[in-house]
Amino acid sequence: LAKTTQPISMDSYEGQEVNITCSHNNIATNDYITWYQQFPSQGPRFIIQGYKTKVTNEVASLFIPADRKSSTLSLPRVSLSDTAVYYCLVGARMSYNQGGKLIFGQGTELSVKP
Amino acid sequence: DTAVSQTPKYLVTQMGNDKSIKCEQNLGHDTMYWYKQDSKKFLKIMFSYNNKELIINETVPNRFSPKSPDKAHLNLHINSLELGDSAVYFCASSQDLGRPASRFTEAFFGQGTRLTVV
Repeated sequence: LAKTTQPISMDSYEGQEVNITCSHNNIATNDYITWYQQFPSQGPRFIIQGYKTKVTNEVASLFIPADRKSSTLSLPRVSLSDTAVYYCLVGARMSYNQGGKLIFGQGTELSVKP
Repeated sequence: DTAVSQTPKYLVTQMGNDKSIKCEQNLGHDTMYWYKQDSKKFLKIMFSYNNKELIINETVPNRFSPKSPDKAHLNLHINSLELGDSAVYFCASSQDLGRPASRFTEAFFGQGTRLTVV
């Protein structure tokens, strides 16, 4: 599975847009890019997933350039409750019934201040 | 109604003891997992079960034994607990899409069990 690199930490203020970039230079053709969010004392929670170009849902947007060697998670107008660790994952299931082997990197610890 | 529930939430025990953590999911998913999160927040997969069959076993000491009585339950039993086993253990589940080389489906995680070995 492709290795990912993302900033260890980021600071922001309420109401700002936050962009977290993840590098995955060795991404394979079949790989998807997935982002999870983890609040303190909780399990990770799926945010968004994409393969190329742009994906948007009610929580975030995911921008993936044509070469797919990086991706950017964009959180619009963050609030204090967006303080969490954000994980970028890259991979794909390789065989029937393998089950998703999610490989989590170090994650980016986002701190939103008032 | 909690989708993936684990019990207990906290577990403090002495070295050498045997303990179990239970996990249940009510999402009808085919696949369940155990992850371990250490003090540095790294999340590492330990086991994956698909329809009660062990799919992934990630070089975990054989003191750890998962058991899946049915596809809605995946319990983790740990023998002879050691100090290094102290961590937060997460159970998760996802729906297998049944196609090769397809995207990962969304995984749902439980709240975690904080295990402290003293």
